[in-house]
Amino acid sequence: EDQVTQSPEALRLQEGESSSLNCSYTVSGLRGLFWYRQDPGKGPEFLFTLYSAGEEKEKERLKATLTKKESFLHITAPKPEDSATYLCAVQAWGGYQKVTFGIGTKLQVIP
Amino acid sequence: NAGVTQTPKFQVLKTGQSMTLQCAQDMNHEYMSWYRQDPGMGLRLIHYSVGAGITDQGEVPNGYNVSRSTTEDFPLRLLSAAPSQTSVYFCASRLTGPTLNYGYTFGSGTRLTVV
Repeated sequence: EDQVTQSPEALRLQEGESSSLNCSYTVSGLRGLFWYRQDPGKGPEFLFTLYSAGEEKEKERLKATLTKKESFLHITAPKPEDSATYLCAVQAWGGYQKVTFGIGTKLQVIP
Repeated sequence: NAGVTQTPKFQVLKTGQSMTLQCAQDMNHEYMSWYRQDPGMGLRLIHYSVGAGITDQGEVPNGYNVSRSTTEDFPLRLLSAAPSQTSVYFCASRLTGPTLNYGYTFGSGTRLTVV
């Protein structure tokens, strides 16, 4: 069974204090790993798709990396507007196109 | 473009009532799906569709029905609401094909309470 575990559950950072969020996964055959941002009362917003170990993608202050067992979302010099819950998800090959989501990391950036 | 539009945003039902959650997308996405999000749990797939006239069950389909008569619309029907169906429901869509580069586009959700 595919599994996604995110840590920490919650993270509080001072503005400008860089850190990383972790996503550990087990999947029968990885087709893609997603990162999403979710603001309170809203649906998840797509950030990145990673496909294979060693791949990296960047968007503004966010950089996502992928290994065979984990993905990291690095946040460089965060701002208060980066406060949100960040979700990690994996999609396996085959099956019924099931995407397995983690519970998320709730990030709070304090001015 | 509106993206994925869900209605209603909030709903309170009594146990045993039925209702339909609406989902519409204007991006010509073949794939559409319904998820529920509960505290302490990841998003879980209820039903999905890979095109008009084609639907299938996801991880937690019991108590829900879907149909897909057009590319744009994918309604979710609760047949006889139960308190266990209290949740936030999200509709999501994407292009089918080999690339996942654009991920899934989610609606803003329907918060359902069953009393």
